[in-house]
Amino acid sequence: DIQVTQSPSSLSASIGDRVTITCRASQSISTYLNWYQQKPGKAPKLLVYLASNLQSGVPSRFSGSGSGTDFTLTVSSLQPEDFATYYCQQSYGIPWTFGQGTKVEIK
Amino acid sequence: QITLNESGPTLVKPTQTLTLTCTFSEFSLSTSGVGVGWIRQPPGKALEWLALIYWDDDKRYSPSLKSRLTITKDISKSQVVLTMTNMDPVDTATYYCALIESRYHFDYWGQGALVTVSS
Repeated sequence: DIQVTQSPSSLSASIGDRVTITCRASQSISTYLNWYQQKPGKAPKLLVYLASNLQSGVPSRFSGSGSGTDFTLTVSSLQPEDFATYYCQQSYGIPWTFGQGTKVEIK
Repeated sequence: QITLNESGPTLVKPTQTLTLTCTFSEFSLSTSGVGVGWIRQPPGKALEWLALIYWDDDKRYSPSLKSRLTITKDISKSQVVLTMTNMDPVDTATYYCALIESRYHFDYWGQGALVTVSS
């Protein structure tokens, strides 16, 4: 199985901060890496697909980058509605695997 | 507006078989590239991919659960069904179905169905 490891597992940030979350794959996965946001009690929501493509309707403050084994999700200016848990997910190989999540909390 | 809705029992006993139905609208599972997947999330834990089925009936399973899972589709009913045999308390989780619009990512998710395994 391809493992995807997120860091950090949690972070505290203030409104307006730039936040970066990293996802590292255990082998090269080209750009088959997606990012989701999940709020408590809700289903995940697709933010970025195939490493760097912003899903329709997602604010432009979110961006994704990377290829191979190293990927990042960046929020350029954190807003109140962005406090949530973020997951990366690889779709290069079966089984599709998710990272363990990064919880973004209010400082 | 694309919607997906999971339905099934909220409580199952150990060793029983779980059957979950995903009923969807505003997309067709006969369109090239489209698929539906199942993902679960134990309380307070991370997401785990279980299975998916594509428009051409290509089916993929998590190797660790493959012997227990079956995924099928009924295009006429706009449904995808997941069965999981020999349920155990560790299978307690919220089960989600999700639309794959172009093979590689979950574009839309259902609201989830909490399944508790307990005697």
